[in-house]
Amino acid sequence: DVKVTQSSRYLVKRTGEKVFLECVQDMDHENMFWYRQDPGLGLRLIYFSYDVKMKEKGDIPEGYSVSREKKERFSLILESASTNQTSMYLCASRTSESSYEQYFGPGTRLTVT
Amino acid sequence: AQKVTQAQTEISVVEKEDVTLDCVYETRDTTYYLFWYKQPPSGELVFLIRRNSFDEQNEISGRYSWNFQKSTSSFNFTITASQVVDSAVYFCALDGSGNTGKLIFGQGTTLQVKP
Repeated sequence: DVKVTQSSRYLVKRTGEKVFLECVQDMDHENMFWYRQDPGLGLRLIYFSYDVKMKEKGDIPEGYSVSREKKERFSLILESASTNQTSMYLCASRTSESSYEQYFGPGTRLTVT
Repeated sequence: AQKVTQAQTEISVVEKEDVTLDCVYETRDTTYYLFWYKQPPSGELVFLIRRNSFDEQNEISGRYSWNFQKSTSSFNFTITASQVVDSAVYFCALDGSGNTGKLIFGQGTTLQVKP
C-alpha cells in the first residue's frame, strides 16, 4: 500500500513564525504536491515537484516555499506565518507515468494565531 | 480557464436511498482526466475513479456508478442504496493541460447518510 505521511496532524503557530510542514512517501513516486483545503473552496494547489530538486508554482504559491532534497520527502515552508494561512494542508504523491491517481496524506490542520 | 463546479454543497439522505452527486467541468483541452475522491471524517482523501476524455463509457463498481457525458461536460457520481459509511465529503477533480498532475478540484459535496 502506498503510504503518504505528514509530520503533524495538528499544529498551532504564532504570526510571524517560520513553519515547516513535512511530507514523506514510501512508494518511490516522482511527483509530489502540496494543497490547502478551505471550506467552500475545495483543494487548491500551492506547489508541486516533478522530481528531486525540482519545483513548480501552483495556483496559490504566495507566502509559501518548498524544498525537495530527497525523492521521498517534500517540505512546505511558511516563511512568516499569517492568520490567513490557517487551513488544512494536504500532501500528495503519484508516479509520473500516465495520469495515475494521486495518493494523499492525512493532512495537517494548521492554526496561526 | 479550467474549472470544476460541484453545485451541491450538502446533501442529506436516509439510508438505502439512491443519491447522485453532480460535477460539471470546463476545459479547452481535448485530452484530460477526471477524478472522484472521497474524504471521510478521518481527513485522508481516498481515490475512487479516474476517467480519461476519450472514454465515455459509464462505469459501475459495486454500489457506485459514474456517468461521463462530454456533450454536457458532466461527470456525475451515483451511490445506490446508500449506507451510513458513505457519509463523507466527495470531490470531483480535473487534470487538463497534458497530464501535469495539477488537479483542479471542485468545492466538494458533503453527503450525510442518516440511519
